Amino acid sequence: GAVVSQHPSRVICKSGTSVKIECRSLDFQATTMFWYRQFPKQSLMLMATSNEGSKATYEQGVEKDKFLINHASLTLSTLTVTSAHPEDSSFYICSARSTEGPLHFGNGTRLTVT
Amino acid sequence: GQSLEQPSEVTAVEGAIVQINCTYQTSGFYGLSWYQQHDGGAPTFLSYNALDGLEETGRFSSFLSRSDSYGYLLLQELQMKDSASYFCAPSVYQKVTFGIGTKLQVIP
Repeated sequence: GAVVSQHPSRVICKSGTSVKIECRSLDFQATTMFWYRQFPKQSLMLMATSNEGSKATYEQGVEKDKFLINHASLTLSTLTVTSAHPEDSSFYICSARSTEGPLHFGNGTRLTVT
Repeated sequence: GQSLEQPSEVTAVEGAIVQINCTYQTSGFYGLSWYQQHDGGAPTFLSYNALDGLEETGRFSSFLSRSDSYGYLLLQELQMKDSASYFCAPSVYQKVTFGIGTKLQVIP
């Protein structure tokens, strides 16, 4: 159980375009979803926390107008990277949980902005 | 503030047992999770302790002492495929944050 599906797994886009990443909890209701970013050989950095039906809470230094997060249902959250630039190239990983327990991660999205 | 300490690297022999320690300082703590991450992949959940004591899941066990703000992950019968990074992650209200992790290298 506790499967989280993230799509797409890889995306290449041109600078200035927007990219949407989807995160779905397949067999449980995710009251809270988290979005992380990971650069090579570094740890996961929490970008934002989203609760279903509420505005996301962004970590310090994360631009909320650039990284749009929507958590419209208990099984779906989306992250949209707007006006992407090469420095946004990274590994984006969503995670979800149903209660105040452990997180379950999606398989990540490797974004390359050219 | 929050702090988290675990060794950056550990090397162990195939078939052996290895313990990865984690100490944390945080407020609003309610549990400690452990995750495994292979290079290029996403983290996978290994174990979670909400209460003091030992949780056993196959070859992996995790221990928590709330009073000591300390936990560890125990990996038994090490296999080559266990070479990966391991993260302890304290759960605090509404967040799970990660440190730099421990890179485990299993050698023949």
